[in-house]
Amino acid sequence: KAGVTQTPRYLIKTRGQQVTLSCSPISGHRSVSWYQQTPGQGLQFLFEYFSETQRNKGNFPGRFSGRQFSNSRSEMNVSTLELGDSALYLCASSPGFSYEQYFGPGTRLTVT
Amino acid sequence: GESVGLHLPTLSVQEGDNSIINCAYSNSASDYFIWYKQESGKGPQFIIDIRSNMDKRQGQRVTVLLNKTVKHLSLQIAATQPGDSAVYFCAPLRGPGNQFYFGTGTSLTVIP
Repeated sequence: KAGVTQTPRYLIKTRGQQVTLSCSPISGHRSVSWYQQTPGQGLQFLFEYFSETQRNKGNFPGRFSGRQFSNSRSEMNVSTLELGDSALYLCASSPGFSYEQYFGPGTRLTVT
Repeated sequence: GESVGLHLPTLSVQEGDNSIINCAYSNSASDYFIWYKQESGKGPQFIIDIRSNMDKRQGQRVTVLLNKTVKHLSLQIAATQPGDSAVYFCAPLRGPGNQFYFGTGTSLTVIP
């Protein structure tokens, strides 16, 4: 079974721009969670989608948003990028009926 | 809110020795915990989980101990190997859905 895939793997953006990251979960998984990972803050939960609905949300500003499509693929969007948004963004998928999450390799976002 | 603290940000052990990684959590309502391993350039990978009605769980070369009284977990790795070099996270579950709290992790280095 193919694992979680994230595209693109690397991205460089300028402050003020917006960015969209994509995540394809494991086939059959209905839950997708997004995390931001930085050296100082570690892994922080952004939000979780289950069956196209946001089920949980972390403490991030409204510039961070996401959505999930009917095929469970998910996208997250960050608008008006700030230097502090530079991070590794990880996506994790889960069947939805268990807590075990499978992480993708992440998208490394650099904001200059 | 929840906070998770790994007692040591870095840990070095000799190959073949046992490793112990400690983790403290703050929310006494947390009833499920997962340990993850993150190798360089990869997303976190599930190692082992434990529910709050257990105080010990064993896997292949790993043992997790949970002390709910002092809100503390430990991950023990037997006969540590170079392939165990990674960052380790303990993640308590909080809230409905897959909302886990991570910290900055403990970086384990195995010395050959």
